[in-house]
Amino acid sequence: AQSVTQPDIHITVSEGASLELRCNYSYGATPYLFWYVQSPGQGLQLLLKYFSGDTLVQGIKGFEAEFKRSQSSFNLRKPSVHWSDAAEYFCAGDNFGNEKLTFGTGTRLTIIP
Amino acid sequence: NAGVTQTPKFQVLKTGQSMTLQCAQDMNHEYMSWYRQDPGMGLRLIHYSVGAGITDQGEVPNGYNVSRSTTEDFPLRLLSAAPSQTSVYFCASSHTGGGLVTEAFFGQGTRLTVV
Repeated sequence: AQSVTQPDIHITVSEGASLELRCNYSYGATPYLFWYVQSPGQGLQLLLKYFSGDTLVQGIKGFEAEFKRSQSSFNLRKPSVHWSDAAEYFCAGDNFGNEKLTFGTGTRLTIIP
Repeated sequence: NAGVTQTPKFQVLKTGQSMTLQCAQDMNHEYMSWYRQDPGMGLRLIHYSVGAGITDQGEVPNGYNVSRSTTEDFPLRLLSAAPSQTSVYFCASSHTGGGLVTEAFFGQGTRLTVV
């Protein structure tokens, strides 16, 4: 069965420190992969997406993600976090592109001063 | 553009009551879908539609009905609410077709409590 796994339920990072959120996928073929961010009480906003081609994908708000086929991973990174990055982050995958998204369980990010 | 609009934002129902969650998009997107979000479970697909007149079940369809009479609207109906349907519901829309990968736009959510 297709699945997306986010192993970290909650991560705490100091403001200005680097960040990496993990995402692993299980699909028969290379899926389309997405990272979404959800601020409290809000809907989901797309940070970035991977379809094919360059395995390092740049997104909004200074985020990037790297697709690694050998590790079935699509980890999200940011070199220096800001207090406004505190939110919940969801990794999602889809075989055909946004038609049946499968979400991970999410990682809640807390930023400390 | 308003994007994806969901109403209401909050709702409390008694067990057995029925209601309709409204979703409208003004982007002329073909694809619309409903998800529910529960703590520790991420978002799970309830129903989706690839165009007017076409709907299909997602991962957790039981207890919910949908219809798509227009491109813009995709209401979700709870026929007889149960406490297990307490959740936050999100509607999403996207342009699809021709193998094009596009962004899914999400509404702000409806927080439903069934007592």
